[in-house]
Amino acid sequence: DTGVSQNPRHKITKRGQNVTFRCDPISEHNRLYWYRQTLGQGPEFLTYFQNEAQLEKSRLLSDRFSAERPKGSFSTLEIQRTEQGDSAMYLCASSLGTGGKNGYTFGSGTRLTVV
Amino acid sequence: EDQVTQSPEALRLQEGESSSLNCSYTVSGLRGLFWYRQDPGKGPEFLFTLYSAGEEKEKERLKATLTKKESFLHITAPKPEDSATYLCAVVSSNTGKLIFGQGTTLQVKP
Repeated sequence: DTGVSQNPRHKITKRGQNVTFRCDPISEHNRLYWYRQTLGQGPEFLTYFQNEAQLEKSRLLSDRFSAERPKGSFSTLEIQRTEQGDSAMYLCASSLGTGGKNGYTFGSGTRLTVV
Repeated sequence: EDQVTQSPEALRLQEGESSSLNCSYTVSGLRGLFWYRQDPGKGPEFLFTLYSAGEEKEKERLKATLTKKESFLHITAPKPEDSATYLCAVVSSNTGKLIFGQGTTLQVKP
């Protein structure tokens, strides 16, 4: 297994456009998380899945954000009508249960720039 | 509400100068406290998990400790390659999500 994979690595989009990111977790991990990180800050929780069920979504997340994890495998995060404030690094992580001694494994992230 | 605060925000050390990073937390039932290392432009890399007060974990020049209210990451005789941002995060018994602090950016000069 090569770890958590995120695509694309970088995305530049014009304000108002929709964007979609993909995350492929470690195959045996049942939990998948999305985080957003801006410069100089720690990752901010967005949402997480256990298998295909979305268990929690941050109340700070606007309705423009939606995430799916069909069949409990890969996940997609879509941002509709992007705004400049959406510019950030979007991180995906996966775990078996609540992480345990191996923690949560993060991908390299997708850097979004909204111009 | 679960909260994590890290200090200092930034730390500059000379090579070989030992120091400690602090992580204070409030959580409704700690399920685990995690330390991560993050290099610029990359995702966080797992270092340690601590579960209960008094627990310690070590890896090379790093040692993590845990009390009921805070955790420390001790760096002994650091090298320039230890320069990175160190993130602390907690998971509560009420939820499965990691809550992160803002991180401490460490710079080790040769």
